[in-house]
Amino acid sequence: DIQMTQSPSSLTASVGDRVTITCRASQTISKYLNWYQLKSGKAPKLLIFAASSLQDGVPSRFSGSGSDTDFTLAISSLQPEDSAIYYCQQSYSTPFTFGPGTKVDVK
Amino acid sequence: EVQLVESGGGLVQPGGSLRLSCAASGFTISSYWMHWVRQVPGKGLVWVARLNSDGSITTYADSVKGRFTISRDNAKNTLYLQMNGLRAEDTAVYFCVRDYGYGGNPYWFFDLWGRGTLVTVSS
Repeated sequence: DIQMTQSPSSLTASVGDRVTITCRASQTISKYLNWYQLKSGKAPKLLIFAASSLQDGVPSRFSGSGSDTDFTLAISSLQPEDSAIYYCQQSYSTPFTFGPGTKVDVK
Repeated sequence: EVQLVESGGGLVQPGGSLRLSCAASGFTISSYWMHWVRQVPGKGLVWVARLNSDGSITTYADSVKGRFTISRDNAKNTLYLQMNGLRAEDTAVYFCVRDYGYGGNPYWFFDLWGRGTLVTVSS
C-alpha cells in the first residue's frame, strides 16, 4: 500500500495569512494526488484534484502543486471559513489511501 | 439538489451485521463508480470499497474483504454496504462517495460525499 504523510499535523494562522500543507507519498504517484476539506457535521469537499486542478466552485485562494512524491496545498489568504481538517489522497492505486490530516485553525 | 444521504448506522454487537444505504438525488448513480469511505472518530479517512456503474466489478480494502459487500440498485438510485462479522475496529462514520468520473470512466477521487452515518460496534 502507498503510505501518505502530511505536515504539519496542525497549524494556527491569522486571517489573510498564506499557509501551506505538505503531503508526501511513500512511492511515486505522478500527479494522482487530491485534496479534501472536512468540517465537522458537513459533507467533505473536494478542493484540488490531479495535484493542481481546482475543483469547480472552490475559491481561487486554494492551490495545489507537486508531482511524484511531494505535494503542497496552499491557501493564499486564509479566511475564517477555512478552519477545517485537510486531507490528501492518492488515486494512483488501490487501496486509495489518505494522509493523516492537517488541522487548520484561524485565529 | 445533488446530494448523497446515508442511513442505517447504529449500535451493533461484535459479530453482528448491518446494512448501510445511500440515497442519491439530483443525479443518476448508474453513470458513476461509487465508493464507501470511513473515518474512525478523531482519526483519518480510510477507503473501504468501490463498485462500478453496473454493479459487476467490486474492490475492497483488505480489512473488510470477505465481510463487507458493496452493491447498488440503480432503479432506486441507491448504494448499499452490507457489513457482516462486525468488529470493534469497524466503528466509524461511513461516507458514501461518488467518483469524479462520469459515464463509467473513473478517476479514483471523490467529488461528492454524504454527511456520513455512524456505526458503533460494541457489546
